[in-house]
Amino acid sequence: QQQVKQSPQSLIVQKGGIPIINCAYENTAFDYFPWYQQFPGKGPALLIAIRPDVSEKKEGRFTISFNKSAKQFSLHIMDSQPGDSATYFCAARGGFGNEKLTFGTGTRLTIIP
Amino acid sequence: GAVVSQHPSWVICKSGTSVKIECRSLDFQATTMFWYRQFPKQSLMLMATSNEGSKATYEQGVEKDKFLINHASLTLSTLTVTSAHPEDSSFYICSATGQIINYGYTFGSGTRLTVV
Repeated sequence: QQQVKQSPQSLIVQKGGIPIINCAYENTAFDYFPWYQQFPGKGPALLIAIRPDVSEKKEGRFTISFNKSAKQFSLHIMDSQPGDSATYFCAARGGFGNEKLTFGTGTRLTIIP
Repeated sequence: GAVVSQHPSWVICKSGTSVKIECRSLDFQATTMFWYRQFPKQSLMLMATSNEGSKATYEQGVEKDKFLINHASLTLSTLTVTSAHPEDSSFYICSATGQIINYGYTFGSGTRLTVV
């Protein structure tokens, strides 16, 4: 019940395309859903985050779509660039005072010129 | 923005020795800090959660005597890998959260530990 399932495992998109990464969860107590970008040898960096009372959030080229009834959320990257090539992780916070983040398995994104 | 500084960024140590990794929140008070371990091409695995002035809470399967965590102040947490062995070689990452960053999470840049 604490799992966050992430797909796809890897993704190759042409420059300018819109990669979409999906995550699904079971625990309805989760109350905060961030997305992180990680480059090799570096710590994760927060891209964008959403709370379950919002269906969509956009920050720059990054958009989260959130479907509370389906317990799914996704990351869209508009006008993707080779510099966006990285590993992306979705996560979910435990809720009810549980501050632990549960991470998805990660998506290795490659943007080809 | 909120910054978490983690040092060292990489370290090589001999088998049997101990290594200390520091995690500092530079511009906010971190009420809670987290320590993760990450194997190549895998996700982050939570090792322990620590609150300032309290004992760390370890995840199931994490040896608390091997991975000593100290959260002595609201801006500093340390992870000491004791009697390190080659199988402890990994990428260790800390994270911090606090009220000033609306309880979001800021991650350190990670420490690559190699035990030889």
